[in-house]
Amino acid sequence: NAGVTQTPKFRILKIGQSMTLQCTQDMNHNYMYWYRQDPGMGLKLIYYSVGAGITDKGEVPNGYNVSRSTTEDFPLRLELAAPSQTSVYFCASSYAGLDTQYFGPGTRLTVL
Amino acid sequence: GDSVTQMEGPVTLSEEAFLTINCTYTATGYPSLFWYVQYPGEGLQLLLKATKADDKGSNKGFEATYRKETTSFHLEKGSVQVSDSAVYFCALSPLGNAGNMLTFGGGTRLMVKP
Repeated sequence: NAGVTQTPKFRILKIGQSMTLQCTQDMNHNYMYWYRQDPGMGLKLIYYSVGAGITDKGEVPNGYNVSRSTTEDFPLRLELAAPSQTSVYFCASSYAGLDTQYFGPGTRLTVL
Repeated sequence: GDSVTQMEGPVTLSEEAFLTINCTYTATGYPSLFWYVQYPGEGLQLLLKATKADDKGSNKGFEATYRKETTSFHLEKGSVQVSDSAVYFCALSPLGNAGNMLTFGGGTRLMVKP
């Protein structure tokens, strides 16, 4: 089992560019999450999904979009990158009904 | 809304010293409580958890007791090692949380010197 994998590991974007952060899990988890971690801060939930075809907003969804067409994949889309989106992004997953989340290694994004 | 407050770091200790990282929370009812650890360059890993008042979670020599009366879940270890150097996050999952969503504290960096 690879667990939760994220690509890319690092990315630098210019203001206004777009990109997709990829997240895949091979544990057959129903629930998946996207968080951002700003320097010296805790993680804040961007979006989450409780199953294929179902997504919902978290605490800080503005500027992001997600889709969940399969159980395994949960990509995060940034349409018009802004410096405020400079952060480390973590994807996580969990079994439905169990509260332990499993995290990927993160993507460090810089917007200049 | 729900929130988690942790002591600010960094916490710097010598090897074999006693560790306490304070965590308090605000939530309705009886949330589940967690400690996650983030080693350099890695994602978060669950360290321990407790799901009801007076429960003690433990793992790898770390312990934390769910104290409803003080709304606290302090992390302790009797003798830290250099390999324990990491960032520690306290988190809660509200009761009846259909999406298993977590609310995190700001994290506490621990540095252990030989």
